[in-house]
Amino acid sequence: KAGVTQTPRYLIKTRGQQVTLSCSPISGHRSVSWYQQTPGQGLQFLFEYFSETQRNKGNFPGRFSGRQFSNSRSEMNVSTLELGDSALYLCASRREDTASEQYFGPGTRLTVT
Amino acid sequence: AQTVTQSQPEMSVQEAETVTLSCTYDTSESDYYLFWYKQPPSRQMILVIRQEAYKQQNATENRFSVNFQKAAKSFSLKISDSQLGDAAMYFCAYRSLPGGSQGNLIFGKGTKLSVKP
Repeated sequence: KAGVTQTPRYLIKTRGQQVTLSCSPISGHRSVSWYQQTPGQGLQFLFEYFSETQRNKGNFPGRFSGRQFSNSRSEMNVSTLELGDSALYLCASRREDTASEQYFGPGTRLTVT
Repeated sequence: AQTVTQSQPEMSVQEAETVTLSCTYDTSESDYYLFWYKQPPSRQMILVIRQEAYKQQNATENRFSVNFQKAAKSFSLKISDSQLGDAAMYFCAYRSLPGGSQGNLIFGKGTKLSVKP
């Protein structure tokens, strides 16, 4: 079974631009979560989607948004990029049952210049 | 809000030896999950082991085992017979049960483990 895939793997953007990252979950997984990883703040939860609905949201500004499609694929968007948005963005998927664990993708490395 | 603390930013172990990584957490919930994730330099986060809080028995996965002390809110990871491939960042993580306050993972800052040949 294929793992969680994320595209692109690397991205360089300029301040003020916007960016869209994509995540394809493991087949059969309906929950997709996004995390931001930086050296200073560590791993922080952005949001979780399930059945095309945002179920949970972390403490990030409204510039960070996401969505999920009917095939469970998810995208996250960051508008008006800031230097501090440079990070590794990780996507994780899981089945929707009580004890299911999250499986992570390789991440997208975003650099904002 | 729940918090997870890993007090050891870096650890080092000799190949074939045993090492223990520490993790403490804070929560007011009675049932939850705890995890250890490994992130090698290639960056793919991999689940190492997990523990359900309602289970008193410590989880074990091959060379990896945990010491779960619920009252002390402590969740340490022991790696036996360390191998070069164990070198990585190790993250301790907490998750509420579904229906709890949050279903997302709350991570500690991580411990960087080096394995010396």
